[in-house]
Amino acid sequence: GAVVSQHPSRVICKSGTSVKIECRSLDFQATTMFWYRQFPKKSLMLMATSNEGSKATYEQGVEKDKFLINHASLTLSTLTVTSAHPEDSSFYICSASVHLLNSPLHFGNGTRLTVT
Amino acid sequence: DAKTTQPPSMDCAEGRAANLPCNHSTISGNEYVYWYRQIHSQGPQYIIHGLKNNETNEMASLIITEDRKSSTLILPHATLRDTAVYYCIVRVVLVETSGSRLTFGEGTQLTVNP
Repeated sequence: GAVVSQHPSRVICKSGTSVKIECRSLDFQATTMFWYRQFPKKSLMLMATSNEGSKATYEQGVEKDKFLINHASLTLSTLTVTSAHPEDSSFYICSASVHLLNSPLHFGNGTRLTVT
Repeated sequence: DAKTTQPPSMDCAEGRAANLPCNHSTISGNEYVYWYRQIHSQGPQYIIHGLKNNETNEMASLIITEDRKSSTLILPHATLRDTAVYYCIVRVVLVETSGSRLTFGEGTQLTVNP
């Protein structure tokens, strides 16, 4: 089945630094990838839709200059949290699907970001 | 997006069937019902999806009512490893791309007890 790999699984950084999270589709090409954020005991919240070769589409309330998304190839999307603050500490999860309508989205195993 | 309503929590005895209900009364004709589950600190795992017919795979069965306003996910023989949050999602199709996003609700915390 389709596998989505996310790296790193955990990262700790200091306030003011930037962190890059990678999301790769290992055995399929993903025109579109999605980035979610999840706070403890809460559901997943969609942050942005990442389209290969074009600008990402951000959900309302998500700062595009803070959460930089790059989807340079059909198998890789990256999320960079810039100038991280403690309130950015969260669980970030990416997902992707095969290039077919109604094919299921497959999710990475998430990145636990802790900003100190 | 059509909203879904699920009970916040359910318990099930190990070895018994777990039946997880979901209401989606505002679903449109071209929207599919998807089920995912999330085990603590992991990414969501796809379980099954359907449009109007009942579906079955190696993990579960999905029963959708004739009016499509509700569905039930059935885990036929629950194990301790099935303890997770189960999400019922109606999927919005974005016709301009091949991808369609998933909007997660609060889900049902299923606890399988020994």
